[in-house]
Amino acid sequence: AQTVTQSQPEMSVQEAETVTLSCTYDTSENNYYLFWYKQPPSRQMILVIRQEAYKQQNATENRFSVNFQKAAKSFSLKISDSQLGDTAMYFCAFMKGPANSGYALNFGKGTSLLVTP
Amino acid sequence: EPEVTQTPSHQVTQMGQEVILRCVPISNHLYFYWYRQILGQKVEFLVSFYNNEISEKSEIFDDQFSVERPDGSNFTLKIRSTKLEDSAMYFCASSGMDGFNEQFFGPGTRLTVL
Repeated sequence: AQTVTQSQPEMSVQEAETVTLSCTYDTSENNYYLFWYKQPPSRQMILVIRQEAYKQQNATENRFSVNFQKAAKSFSLKISDSQLGDTAMYFCAFMKGPANSGYALNFGKGTSLLVTP
Repeated sequence: EPEVTQTPSHQVTQMGQEVILRCVPISNHLYFYWYRQILGQKVEFLVSFYNNEISEKSEIFDDQFSVERPDGSNFTLKIRSTKLEDSAMYFCASSGMDGFNEQFFGPGTRLTVL
């Protein structure tokens, strides 16, 4: 079984600053995928970014980037130029591969991020 | 843009009653999922469904739960005899076979069991 650990229950950052959210995971799988999901107060889960474990290059989506350290089983999310709309709960999630197989997402407990003016 | 929809947004029921939560996945998707989130806790996987049968389920998904795709558009989660601890937000998700197989989530149904 896989476990996903987010050690920061709450974080706060000022608008325009950079913040990093931590995630570690444990698995014996070789083929897997990692995700960060955002859950704003509206409660709908939105995919922020994903990383294929077989790719060494860290994924980037605009202001969001990850630091994927496969050997350390670490997958942190960096949010640059934080905006008020980034205030949300952020969940790290693991899915075993292959893709297109309908496997479940295994979520961490989440980090509540507050962006302040 | 296509989206997953769920009804109702909030369901209140008495302990022991049956409830059916409904979801309309994105139309060309083939995999369907139910997750739940107890207030203040993490999102937990319940079940996935493909080709009219369960493809994976968690230990939470016991005999009181069932899923069905009664027609070409709806995907339902039935809880036969609700318990207080079933109170949670229930999320439906769907994914396709194109590209990466990203799971798209609905807005959720808040279930309150009294």
